[in-house]
Amino acid sequence: EIVLTQSPTTLSLSPGERATLSCRASQSVSSHLAWYQQKSGQAPRLLIYGASNRATGIPARFSGGGSGTDFTLTISSLEFDDSAVYYCQHRDDWPPGATFGGGTKLEI
Amino acid sequence: QVHLVESGGGVVQPGQSLRLSCAASAFTFSNHGMHWVRQAPGKGLEWVAVVSSSGRVQYYADSVKGRFTISRDNSRSTLSLQMNSLRLEDTAVYYCTKEGGAGSGSYLSFDLWGQGTRVTVSS
Repeated sequence: EIVLTQSPTTLSLSPGERATLSCRASQSVSSHLAWYQQKSGQAPRLLIYGASNRATGIPARFSGGGSGTDFTLTISSLEFDDSAVYYCQHRDDWPPGATFGGGTKLEI
Repeated sequence: QVHLVESGGGVVQPGQSLRLSCAASAFTFSNHGMHWVRQAPGKGLEWVAVVSSSGRVQYYADSVKGRFTISRDNSRSTLSLQMNSLRLEDTAVYYCTKEGGAGSGSYLSFDLWGQGTRVTVSS
């Protein structure tokens, strides 16, 4: 079973700064990694799929990188509205279940 | 506008059953695998179950295997989760979520989520 470990647990930054969030897999997941944003009281929203592809409607300030076991989500020029918990997620064709990381809480 | 709307949550006692439903709209439901993901109070996301686009294949997290059953009705664009023998640790918000389209390359991620339905198991 693949385990996803996110770091840091909490990140406090100011508007305009850059945030770098990390997700490490216990074994190679190729580029099969997605990132989600979950604001308080809301459902998660897909940001990045395939490690580096922005989902529809996601601003270019959000970018994903990495492959194999180490991945990053970068948010440039932070805004107050970016305050949320960010999760990474992996899934393969088989078995078809998904794994989520524990999340990083971003405070602006 | 594409939508997923869950219903059926509530408060039940340990050992009881509950059936969740998810109504889909504005996309071709039968083209996508569908999943349930849950979130316990103050905790992270936990994947629960998946059903293939045709409904023929189901797969479950170990924590719910043998107790929960996922199913779908493509003629009505609905997804269901039958939850039996509920435990205290099943308390969570349950989200219905859709796999991305195979053609878009996002099929291994979840590109649409419902607003969630709350399940509380309490004695």
